[in-house]
Amino acid sequence: QQQVKQSPQSLIVQKGGISIINCAYENTAFDYFPWYQQFPGKGPALLIAIRPDVSEKKEGRFTISFNKSAKQFSLHIMDSQPGDSATYFCAATLNTGFQKLVFGTGTRLLVSP
Amino acid sequence: NAGVTQTPKFQVLKTGQSMTLQCAQDMNHEYMSWYRQDPGMGLRLIHYSVGAGITDQGEVPNGYNVSRSTTEDFPLRLLSAAPSQTSVYFCASNIRGFSTDTQYFGPGTRLTVL
Repeated sequence: QQQVKQSPQSLIVQKGGISIINCAYENTAFDYFPWYQQFPGKGPALLIAIRPDVSEKKEGRFTISFNKSAKQFSLHIMDSQPGDSATYFCAATLNTGFQKLVFGTGTRLLVSP
Repeated sequence: NAGVTQTPKFQVLKTGQSMTLQCAQDMNHEYMSWYRQDPGMGLRLIHYSVGAGITDQGEVPNGYNVSRSTTEDFPLRLLSAAPSQTSVYFCASNIRGFSTDTQYFGPGTRLTVL
C-alpha cells in the first residue's frame, strides 16, 4: 500500500527551466515531509524538508510548497541545471517511537543542456 | 567521519544461498535501519534498530534477519536468498529517531539473486 503518491515518474526539463514534482498523502498522522535527492550509484541524501504547519520553505533554488487541507506537497526547482539531474523522492515521517520514513516512488529528473 | 559504510558494493547469489550485508556508522547514532529500493517502488523499510540490542520489523521483513550488538554495526542477513530479493539495499542512521532528524544513507549494496 503506497501511502505517499508521487508524480511524475520521469521529467525532462530544459536548462534554466522550472522542475515541479508533486506528492500526495492520506495519513494525517504524518508530521514531517522531507525530500531526498539520489544520484546514480549513491544513497539518497536529504535535500529539503518542511513541517505541516508551514506552507512554503525555500532553500536556494529549491522550494517546497505544502497544502495541508489538500494533503499535497510539491518540490519546485528554479533555474534547473544539468547537475540537478537525479532521482527525487518525497517522503513523510511517522514518529511512533522511531522515525519511520514512508517514501514516494521517485521521479527521475533529466535537465537537458 | 566516514559516515555510513556498506559492504559489499555488489553481490551475486544463487537461490538458497545465505549472506550478510554489512553496515557500519561512525557518527554514534542510536537509530539504524535497512531499506530496499526497487524500480517504481521507492524505498521500503525492512528492519530497524533503536539502539544496541533492540530491533524491530519494518514494512517488508520476511526473509531477512538483523541483530545489533554494538552501536556502530547493523548487519542484515539473508537466510535463504530468493530471486524476489534482487534489489539495492541501503542502510541508514539518524541520531535520535525524531521525525525531524536527518537520515544518513550509505552508498548501497546491489544484490542479484539468480
